[in-house]
Amino acid sequence: SQQGEEDPQALSIQEGENATMNCSYKTSINNLQWYRQNSGRGLVHLILIRSNEREKHSGRLRVTLDTSKKSSSLLITASRAADTASYFCATDVEGTYKYIFGTGTRLKVLA
Amino acid sequence: GAGVSQSPSNKVTEKGKDVELRCDPISGHTALYWYRQSLGQGLEFLIYFQGNSAPDKSGLPSDRFSAERTGGSVSTLTIQRTQQEDSAVYLCASSLVGQGAYEQYFGPGTRLTVT
Repeated sequence: SQQGEEDPQALSIQEGENATMNCSYKTSINNLQWYRQNSGRGLVHLILIRSNEREKHSGRLRVTLDTSKKSSSLLITASRAADTASYFCATDVEGTYKYIFGTGTRLKVLA
Repeated sequence: GAGVSQSPSNKVTEKGKDVELRCDPISGHTALYWYRQSLGQGLEFLIYFQGNSAPDKSGLPSDRFSAERTGGSVSTLTIQRTQQEDSAVYLCASSLVGQGAYEQYFGPGTRLTVT
């Protein structure tokens, strides 16, 4: 079964607005990653946050992690039409290199 | 440098036939993953290989699915006696997890259609 569950399932915003998507997971992790997928094709790694970190930034991306609530959020600031994609979180299964991907959030940024 | 490549990009097969999907990982990457993605859905973990360790096959949906990785490089995912529910995009990824780098690099996928 899927470990990660993202919400919302779909999000539509205007260009320039911020987009926030959330990920919940079920078991202990070593790290959590966010990926982007354009047009149903290959996935691209965006950012990784380790279990001992609470917040991380990369350009317009901000990721938070709350291990007590088993949840993470991805914030995209000043969104652009090119950010239109599906976003997935992935969590490792502690003690292994196996990763479980969430169900994804479909983001649409309107120009 | 070259990324992860997969072949074929598209495969249409008749129900009951066997198919082989190929993945060429990034050279030097010790870990290789196979996932399945149905239309509009998330990624379903199938199997991963890490170095010389026994593969984690816990995600394979049935014994019709098998995978091997030869020489620690190229991998083949085989589906025997294909069923219509096997139709999906099969994604391969490689990584340097064994060396503390956890980012996965994905190939473009193989779209499998079982008629």
